[in-house]
Amino acid sequence: DTAVSQTPKYLVTQMGNDKSIKCEQNLGHDTMYWYKQDSKKFLKIMFSYNNKELIINETVPNRFSPKSPDKAHLNLHINSLELGDSAVYFCASSHSLLQGRNGYTFGSGTRLTVV
Amino acid sequence: SQQGEEDPQALSIQEGENATMNCSYKTSINNLQWYRQNSGRGLVHLILIRSNEREKHSGRLRVTLDTSKKSSSLLITASRAADTASYFCATDKDSSYKLIFGSGTRLLVRP
Repeated sequence: DTAVSQTPKYLVTQMGNDKSIKCEQNLGHDTMYWYKQDSKKFLKIMFSYNNKELIINETVPNRFSPKSPDKAHLNLHINSLELGDSAVYFCASSHSLLQGRNGYTFGSGTRLTVV
Repeated sequence: SQQGEEDPQALSIQEGENATMNCSYKTSINNLQWYRQNSGRGLVHLILIRSNEREKHSGRLRVTLDTSKKSSSLLITASRAADTASYFCATDKDSSYKLIFGSGTRLLVRP
């Protein structure tokens, strides 16, 4: 059983399109995150949600809009895609905000390629 | 700027040898964690060391933490080909609820 699942695994799209990445966790965790990993493997936090409430918005362009319909889901919608958005996007979860200090459970990533 | 930086960026060793990776960070922390990322996969939590601990063991893993130098090391003993992966350290700033990752060390264990 997959603990944190992301779909799709691969996404190839043209510049200017709008796309969404979905994330679901079945761990009963309260807190979920989106991270972006660039071509040099740097992992940078984008957003975190706790019980559907936005906690961290790390100066991400407003073309990126997270949506959390319930605490088990955190989706990422990206408008007007640009070449620089090409990266691997990881969803993660933790028991709580505070328990996040003890570690995250990551999904397997979505490789987004903008052409 | 990145909170953690791993050193070396890449490491190639023979199976059976030990692998040592280092991580430096910039601000005071609560915990430091190490993660493994296999190619094309997500990160997997390996081990956590708290700021008041100096050394921790888990199987073939040994982690040390020196808060005065703001550095940590991860030692993998008796390495196996299956240990081939990227290894990342992650820290939480003292008052922050987010984990900040380093750029990783790519470990290749040759059979």
